[in-house]
Amino acid sequence: DQQVKQNSPSLSVQEGRISILNCDYTNSMFDYFLWYKKYPAEGPTFLISISSIKDKNEDGRFTVFLNKSAKHLSLHIVPSQPGDSAVYFCAASPLRSDKLIFGTGTRLQVFP
Amino acid sequence: DTEVTQTPKHLVMGMTNKKSLKCEQHMGHRAMYWYKQKAKKPPELMFVYSYEKLSINESVPSRFSPECPNSSLLNLHLHALQPEDSALYLCASSPRIDSNQPQHFGDGTRLSIL
Repeated sequence: DQQVKQNSPSLSVQEGRISILNCDYTNSMFDYFLWYKKYPAEGPTFLISISSIKDKNEDGRFTVFLNKSAKHLSLHIVPSQPGDSAVYFCAASPLRSDKLIFGTGTRLQVFP
Repeated sequence: DTEVTQTPKHLVMGMTNKKSLKCEQHMGHRAMYWYKQKAKKPPELMFVYSYEKLSINESVPSRFSPECPNSSLLNLHLHALQPEDSALYLCASSPRIDSNQPQHFGDGTRLSIL
């Protein structure tokens, strides 16, 4: 039972354009959501997070949007850069829990 | 540069060997985690330690034995592993449990069981 789903295994975007990565979840008890970036041979690097009391959080080029009614979150990267090419995981955890449930990841490729 | 350091980066062992994975952080975090990641799959939680005490064990087989000797160190002792245990083992830390703060990961140990 995949509680956190990333339905697009890959995404290709031109440099300078917007990258939009999507994530859906099924557990209504999730209240904290995160995005991680992972390069080959490295561990996941934390990018940005959002709690369920918000619908948007922004940090530089990265913005996360949360739609609780649709159980959907997205990560926007503007402008996209070649160094953003990596696998992006969304993750979720229930209220006051340390159990992070990861999605299956989306491989983003930013080309010149 | 990651602030969570894992050693070794690679480990090859036979099914009868005993080995240990090590993880260290100096961020003053009081929660530490072990995850297992198989190829093309997301990381899956194995264990959570809070203030050096085991908080969560996700029904992990006893051939994996975690240990937290102090607040900066986390070990994973391995014994009689199976070929299906070959995976990337990730360590993470966070300021404390139940705090809705992000976990920070090391680069992992890639384990191969012969």
